[in-house]
Amino acid sequence: EPEVTQTPSHQVTQMGQEVILRCVPISNHLYFYWYRQILGQKVEFLVSFYNNEISEKSEIFDDQFSVERPDGSNFTLKIRSTKLEDSAMYFCASSGGDRGRAGGSYNEQFFGPGTRLTVL
Amino acid sequence: RKEVEQDPGPFNVPEGATVAFNCTYSNSASQSFFWYRQDCRKEPKLLMSVYSSGNEDGRFTAQLNRASQYISLLIRDSKLSDSATYLCVVISNDYKLSFGAGTTVTVRA
Repeated sequence: EPEVTQTPSHQVTQMGQEVILRCVPISNHLYFYWYRQILGQKVEFLVSFYNNEISEKSEIFDDQFSVERPDGSNFTLKIRSTKLEDSAMYFCASSGGDRGRAGGSYNEQFFGPGTRLTVL
Repeated sequence: RKEVEQDPGPFNVPEGATVAFNCTYSNSASQSFFWYRQDCRKEPKLLMSVYSSGNEDGRFTAQLNRASQYISLLIRDSKLSDSATYLCVVISNDYKLSFGAGTTVTVRA
C-alpha cells in the first residue's frame, strides 16, 4: 500500500539554525500539506501546496517557513531560523482529489509518520 | 468559540462495550468531515469520512447533524486495539481544514 514517508524521524538542532524536513508524498497525489503538533496539543495546519505553489497557509506559517517541491517526488519544509517554540512533531500529508468537486482538494489526506523536531 | 470542539474524555470502557462521542463545529458552511485516529506519538490515520446520510464501516458508525452542527462517532463491540485518540477534522467551504483536539478512548480488558 502506498504511503507517505518522512525523513529524518528525529531532528535535533540549535536555536537559530536552519532545518529542512523532507517528505515523499504518495506518488499520484496532487495536494501536499504540512502540519505540526506540539506535544500534548492538537494538530495544527501549516500550509497546503498544489501545482507548485502554496494554496493555503495558516497564521503559524510566517516568513521563517518555506516549502518547496524540488523534484517530482520530494516535498520539503524549511524553517530558516529555528526557535525553541518550533519544537514539535511535523507531519506531512498528501491527498489526491479533483479540485472541481466540493472539498475535493482536501479529500482524505494521508499522513506520514512525522519528524520530531527538537530545538535546543 | 473554537472552530472544532471535542470532549477530550477520557472515555474508559470495557471490552465489548459501545462508546460514542461528538464533535461540534462552528462554521455552518463546513463541507467535509472526517474522523481520524491517532495513537500516542504517531501520525493521524484516516478512520472514515462522514457523509450526510451517515455511514458505517464495520463496528464504526459516523453521523452528521448539520442542523446542530456536529458529527458523531460510535464504536460498537470495543476492542483493546480501539484505544486511541479520535480526531475530528472539518473542512470549511473555503477549504480551511481544522482539527479538533481529540477524544481519548481507553478500552480495558
